[in-house]
This record gives sequence, C-alpha cells and structure tokens, in this order.
Amino acid sequence: EPEVTQTPSHQVTQMGQEVILRCVPISNHLYFYWYRQILGQKVEFLVSFYNNEISEKSEIFDDQFSVERPDGSNFTLKIRSTKLEDSAMYFCASRSGSALDTQYFGPGTRLTVL
Amino acid sequence: QKEVEQNSGPLSVPEGAIASLNCTYSDRGSQSFFWYRQYSGKSPELIMFIYSNGDKEDGRFTAQLNKASQYVSLLIRDSQPSDSATYLCAVNIRDTGRRALTFGSGTRLQVQP
Repeated sequence: EPEVTQTPSHQVTQMGQEVILRCVPISNHLYFYWYRQILGQKVEFLVSFYNNEISEKSEIFDDQFSVERPDGSNFTLKIRSTKLEDSAMYFCASRSGSALDTQYFGPGTRLTVL
Repeated sequence: QKEVEQNSGPLSVPEGAIASLNCTYSDRGSQSFFWYRQYSGKSPELIMFIYSNGDKEDGRFTAQLNKASQYVSLLIRDSQPSDSATYLCAVNIRDTGRRALTFGSGTRLQVQP
C-alpha cells in the first residue's frame, strides 16, 4: 500500500540553525500539507501546497518557514533559524485531489531544538 | 475562532465493550469529518471519514454525524486492548476552498483486558 515517507525520523539542532525536513508524498497525490504537534498538544496545520505553490498557510507559518517541491517526488519544509519553541513532531500529509478530502499522514520527524 | 472540541479522557472501557467518542465543532460550514487514531509518539492514522448526516459503518467502527447539532461521534464495538490510543477528531472547514484539517485535542481511550 502506498504511503507517505519522511526523513529524518529525528533531527536535533542548535537554536538559530537551519533545518530541512523531507517528505515523499504518495505518488499520484496532488495536494501536500505540513502539520506540527508540540508534545502534549493538538495537531496544528502549517501550510498546504498545490500546483507548485502555497495554497494556504496558518499564522504559525511565518517568514522563518518555507516549503518547496524541488523535484517530482520530494516536498520539503525549511525552518531558517530555529527557535526552542519549534521543537515538535512535524507531519507531512498528502491528498489525491479527488472529491474526497482524505489526507494520509507520514510517520513524522521529531525536531528537537537545543 | 473555529474550534473542534473533544473530551480529553481518559475513557476507560472493558475489553469487548462499546467505546463511544464524541466531538463537537463550531463552524456550521464544516463539510467533512475525520477520525484518526494516534498511538503515543506516532502519526495520525485514518480510521474513518463521514460527510453526510447519519451513520457510517466500517467493521467494528461506526461514525455518526449530526450537522444540526454540530456533533460527530465514533463508536468502537468489541473494544480490544490494541484499540487503546488517542482518537483525534478532525474537521475540514471549507471556507474559500480551504482544505486544511482542524484537529481536536483528542480523547485517550484505555481498553482494560
């Protein structure tokens, strides 16, 4: 069964450093998402991406964040200058683009900012 | 503020019983509703989705939607210890074509052997 994959599974970084989180969505899916979940809190929407551009972003997704689809398979989330409060699980999700809205989530990347 | 509310639990049921999980949402424009299961430290796993008022059954799971009351629930029949997890209600709030999911904080279910 096709699935969303994410790398790395765990990333440890120093405050102020840049990190890139990588996702490979399900191959025939057209819509891509990033969510985050701070430990013990809700899953929160960050950004959605369709047709090589951002279709929507939340108030969390400020200028420190960017997304890119550098080739036909990868979908990346970059945090330019990490803060302690960026420590969270980051989930990538994808959706096919049919009438159904079902999003399938990857296993997540645990980001720890020291 | 568009909200999705769930009782955090824990909801404790004996093995074999029916577990009933509830969710309310604030935006009447909400059109699609999802239940995800999340084990500790893992990603959300889709269990069911529902769009129309009424019941939708899939194996041991039944989702119920009442748009007039802005209420969606999940019933798990014949609960098993492996069902012990946090159950997340998620809503697609379609305004101006938005597709992002808004999640509740989840209900932790404990199934006692």
